[in-house]
Amino acid sequence: AQKITQTQPGMFVQEKEAVTLDCTYDTSDPSYGLFWYKQPSSGEMIFLIYQGSYDQQNATEGRYSLNFQKARKSANLVISASQLGDSAMYFCAMREATDSWGKLQFGAGTQVVVTP
Amino acid sequence: ETGVTQTPRHLVMGMTNKKSLKCEQHLGHNAMYWYKQSAKKPLELMFVYSLEERVENNSVPSRFSPECPNSSHLFLHLHTLQPEDSALYLCASSQGGGSQETQYFGPGTRLLVL
Repeated sequence: AQKITQTQPGMFVQEKEAVTLDCTYDTSDPSYGLFWYKQPSSGEMIFLIYQGSYDQQNATEGRYSLNFQKARKSANLVISASQLGDSAMYFCAMREATDSWGKLQFGAGTQVVVTP
Repeated sequence: ETGVTQTPRHLVMGMTNKKSLKCEQHLGHNAMYWYKQSAKKPLELMFVYSLEERVENNSVPSRFSPECPNSSHLFLHLHTLQPEDSALYLCASSQGGGSQETQYFGPGTRLLVL
């Protein structure tokens, strides 16, 4: 069964606006990590932000922040002040502590296009 | 060089060819991974190596053969591939396998099997 769900296949956002990318996950493991990656058309998977299941505060990294709602099993990525260079595929991923050697489970991704 | 590098970046091969993909990490990590990314499918984990030992093999066909000679290098040897093996192959590394450890990816090798 799919453990990471990204319901938005694609989004358009205007430059300088904020955008929220949805991610829900499914696990019974109390200890897990949630990650967001960006994949431009060049193919490289670029790490953006991490949230641990026991972290009390939402993670932030520059223009990226993670809206972590543990009870809802939701880990939405917020990109503030979008730039043209933010156009890419964005993937949400999870790593469960009980999964030995850290299999990263990815969602299907959301394609973001930033327009001028 | 920094981060994770992969060569070649692009590869076209026939079904009878033998080729190898190379990955090198300059991060001092002790775990390395191969992932496959096919069109319209989520990334699939293929192999995991920890301290040069294979710790996971995710039911990958034997036509894919990994090799990890040391903690900085990882290879994926390919032979008698099928057209459905055409995909982006991504290498990653991390410091350990805990749920909090971030995996850092290379730029990938785009493989086309004719």
